[in-house]
Amino acid sequence: ETGVTQTPRHLVMGMTNKKSLKCEQHLGHNAMYWYKQSAKKPLELMFVYNFKEQTENNSVPSRFSPECPNSSHLFLHLHTLQPEDSALYLCASSQQSIGVLSGANVLTFGAGSRLTVL
Amino acid sequence: DQQVKQNSPSLSVQEGRISILNCDYTNSMFDYFLWYKKYPAEGPTFLISISSIKDKNEDGRFTVFLNKSAKHLSLHIVPSQPGDSAVYFCAASAVNRDDKIIFGKGTRLHILP
Repeated sequence: ETGVTQTPRHLVMGMTNKKSLKCEQHLGHNAMYWYKQSAKKPLELMFVYNFKEQTENNSVPSRFSPECPNSSHLFLHLHTLQPEDSALYLCASSQQSIGVLSGANVLTFGAGSRLTVL
Repeated sequence: DQQVKQNSPSLSVQEGRISILNCDYTNSMFDYFLWYKKYPAEGPTFLISISSIKDKNEDGRFTVFLNKSAKHLSLHIVPSQPGDSAVYFCAASAVNRDDKIIFGKGTRLHILP
């Protein structure tokens, strides 16, 4: 399998549930990202991992907890979410997160996980 | 405050004509700009990019123009084809400063038969 794969594609959860989103890339990239896409808003960067180390937490509430066990896998653990957290969560990867003008920071995205919080 | 602005939520263009999608940015530290294309139920895919040392980059039917003094870039698609109907995201980053790629809200392009 190639590219960036996200599971599940759709998730419905209650506010008291605990669930996780999974992302896997087979591109040999060293950086992985979580983005949030809400209706009528820009894609919002949530977290960046570079060589398994978190290098960016864009003021994301603690009810979102990322985990990067290796350069190929990224998780987003969800706990006590709010209805306003309903959105499309996109995972992406790139060769490295500190880019150079060779385009090393070009992102490859997964298809996203559509989350609905009831 | 949005650093990357796409002020047209949608655009309709006749097949065969030129599509022009616009993007403005506010952060003068941005030095690398990208366009992504997104079909429904798929993730965004990289389309074309330009660094701030250039004012034009062309790839087949797609050309991106950068006007640094106006902090404006545009994507030209010519001729427009039905498969170009998608949402187009403009993005920018300050390469070598941090690892944030900032996206606009996107413009939905409809190619009319």
